[in-house]
Amino acid sequence: GAVVSQHPSWVICKSGTSVKIECRSLDFQATTMFWYRQFPKQSLMLMATSNEGSKATYEQGVEKDKFLINHASLTLSTLTVTSAHPEDSSFYICSAPGTPDNSPLHFGNGTRLTVT
Amino acid sequence: QKEVEQDPGPLSVPEGAIVSLNCTYSNSAFQYFMWYRQYSRKGPELLMYTYSSGNKEDGRFTAQVDKSSKYISLFIRDSQPSDSATYLCAPSFRGFQKLVFGTGTRLLVSP
Repeated sequence: GAVVSQHPSWVICKSGTSVKIECRSLDFQATTMFWYRQFPKQSLMLMATSNEGSKATYEQGVEKDKFLINHASLTLSTLTVTSAHPEDSSFYICSAPGTPDNSPLHFGNGTRLTVT
Repeated sequence: QKEVEQDPGPLSVPEGAIVSLNCTYSNSAFQYFMWYRQYSRKGPELLMYTYSSGNKEDGRFTAQVDKSSKYISLFIRDSQPSDSATYLCAPSFRGFQKLVFGTGTRLLVSP
């Protein structure tokens, strides 16, 4: 089945630094990928839709200059948290629809970010 | 009012019990209703989905949607310790993308 790989699974960084999270579709191509954030005991919240070859679409309230998304190929999307602060500590999960189009989403195993 | 509401639990049951997990939503425009299972520190995995109202069965799992009352249910028969996870309901307006997740209900099945 379709597999979405996310890396790293866990990262600690200091306040003010930037962190890059990678999301790869391993055995299928994904023109669209979705980035979610999940705080403890809260629901997954969609942050942005990553589109291959074009700009990402951000949900209301998500700062596009803080959460940089790049979808440079059909199998890779990256999320960079810039100038991270402790309140950015969360569980970040990416997902991609399988094939054919409009198939259910496949999720990565998430990245736990801790900003100290 | 949140768009999708779930009791966070935890819901503790003995092995073999029938489990009922529920979800309510506020937007009548939702058409697709997904149930995801999420193990600790992992991404969600799709369990099953239904389109519009009705029931759908898959092995030990049955999903039920009542659009008139905006109520979604997932039933698990003969529950197993391996079913211990957080169950997320996720309706959508169109298709499988742009999901709106509930907070999830944590289920604990004891041997």
